[in-house]
Formats: sequence, structure tokens, C-alpha cells
Amino acid sequence: DAGVIQSPRHEVTEMGQEVTLRCKPISGHDYLFWYRQTMMRGLELLIYFNNNVPIDDSGMPEDRFSAKMPNASFSTLKIQPSEPRDSAVYFCASSPRLSTNYGYTFGSGTRLTVV
Amino acid sequence: KQEVTQIPAALSVPEGENLVLNCSFTDSAIYNLQWFRQDPGKGLTSLLLIQSSQREQTSGRLNASLDKSSGRSTLYIAASQPGDSATYLCAVSAGNQFYFGTGTSLTVIP
Repeated sequence: DAGVIQSPRHEVTEMGQEVTLRCKPISGHDYLFWYRQTMMRGLELLIYFNNNVPIDDSGMPEDRFSAKMPNASFSTLKIQPSEPRDSAVYFCASSPRLSTNYGYTFGSGTRLTVV
Repeated sequence: KQEVTQIPAALSVPEGENLVLNCSFTDSAIYNLQWFRQDPGKGLTSLLLIQSSQREQTSGRLNASLDKSSGRSTLYIAASQPGDSATYLCAVSAGNQFYFGTGTSLTVIP
């Protein structure tokens, strides 16, 4: 398996523009997570899905952020409109399940810069 | 809510030293604990996963222990090398999500 695949690796956009980040989880993993990492706050959980259904989106900072998972192999995180304070590295991770034997596998992340 | 703390925040050691990184969590009702390594500008690489019923896991020069009752885990790195320089994060699986510590930044000096 190629692991968790994120695109793009880097994104530079102007304030006010729409940004879409993409993630392909590992096949067979039922859980998908979106995280944001900054120097100030470390890793923050934004939202996670179980079997394509959003379970907890309490970490989504504002209505400008939205996430979808239309099928088991694809998820998007959208920011509209983007602001400079959204600049961070966004990680996607997947897991077969939350309990016992299984842990996370992370993607390589998308480094977002909003100017 | 589960809180995960890692001490120290940064550590610098000479090459060849053995070292210990610490992770503590507030709620002992966890499914598992995972240690990750993150290189600058990169994603997270899983190092070791300890299930809640286990006490330790080993991989090469790495050994992770888990004491659920006291809410602690340690990552022991033997004979450190400059290539071990990175940020190390621990994460616990509890309730319906994973909780991350803020990490320990390790520098191994040649």
C-alpha cells in the first residue's frame, strides 16, 4: 500500500481565496482524521470520519472550514475564504479502528501559506 | 478530557548517550499509546505502538514502556546517533479519538 496520500504538498494562496486539500486514506481503514499543526499549538484535531460519516467536527475552527468524505478513498478539507492565520501544515491520517491493536498512519502533510 | 504532556520540550545530548523521553497522560482508560518521530518539514512516522494490555515494546535501539495506572510512558533510545535528531511525539487512543502530546525536540550532537 502507498500509505496515506495528501495533495498538494505545498500550497501558497492569497488571502480570500478558496483552498482545497485532498487526502486518500489507506484502503480498508475505516477512520480518517484531519489535523492542523502549528508551532504555537502543536497538533490539533480538526475533524474525523468513520465510514465516510463525520463523527466529531468540534475542532473545526470556523465556518470557513469544511470537510467532506464522499467515498472511502477520498476526503477534502476546504477553507473559504482563506486567511493568513490559516497558514499551517495540515495532516491527514487514517486508522483501521480506534481500539486495541491499531494506531495511526499519517500522510506527509500539506504546507499551506496564506499571504 | 485526556491531556498528554511530554517532558522535556527539548533535549540535546552527545552522540552515543542513552536517553529517555517522557510522556504522561491524565486518564488511564486508554486503548493504546503510540510514539511517533517527526523530522523537520516532514510528516509523522510511527515508531512503536503499545496496546493497553502491554507493558513495553521494542524496536532496534528503541524501547517504549507503558504504565497505565500511573499514566506514564517512556521512550528509551540506546546509543543515540545524529540521525536520531527529530521531534518525538506520543499519542494515546482514548474514548473516540487520539490525543497528542506537544513533543520533545531531540538533538544528538556528533
